[in-house]
Amino acid sequence: ETGVTQSPTHLIKTRGQQVTLRCSSQSGHNTVSWYQQALGQGPQFIFQYYREEENGRGNFPPRFSGLQFPNYSSELNVNALELDDSALYLCASSLYEGNTEAFFGQGTRLTVV
Amino acid sequence: GESVGLHLPTLSVQEGDNSIINCAYSNSASDYFIWYKQESGKGPQFIIDIRSNMDKRQGQRVTVLLNKTVKHLSLQIAATQPGDSAVYFCAERDNAGNMLTFGGGTRLMVKP
Repeated sequence: ETGVTQSPTHLIKTRGQQVTLRCSSQSGHNTVSWYQQALGQGPQFIFQYYREEENGRGNFPPRFSGLQFPNYSSELNVNALELDDSALYLCASSLYEGNTEAFFGQGTRLTVV
Repeated sequence: GESVGLHLPTLSVQEGDNSIINCAYSNSASDYFIWYKQESGKGPQFIIDIRSNMDKRQGQRVTVLLNKTVKHLSLQIAATQPGDSAVYFCAERDNAGNMLTFGGGTRLMVKP
């Protein structure tokens, strides 16, 4: 098991609502990346946070936003939820300077109805 | 738990046999590659990695081969066990270092 924890594990929201997902990174890691995994597909990169700033972004609209806190934990916020936002949201932590592997949390399963 | 990869390519092997899972990557500028294992209801679990200056790396029961000429990656699992049943993803990272690009995944099923 990795030291990356995500909350909540499951969530159901209504179209148009907003959601906040949370991630605590592994001890010693200073970088957090968020991924979206639709059923039957590989994870898709949303964005990465390093030193509390966005450090790279994938092909996701601005209604996907994030934060990183001084303790390196992170939040993913999604506004104006759409049905297609239903997916497993994964957080991965890594050490930026080490340029090494990323360790994933167990994910948050978001269902938009 | 939820089902990961309902329509993925499937490799079915007998317990004790060797497994080979293949992956084609897209970016010739990628300098780092990782294999992940994902069980139902869980996040991807790191298995083994390889940097672009290598063509082979071995771990415990697993070997990764990298062919940069044809942009191909493979994962070999020796003496496959029922606990190896999962979906396997390859991932590449570009030299900017801030995102992983995942392949489509392969479901490995181990028959006892």
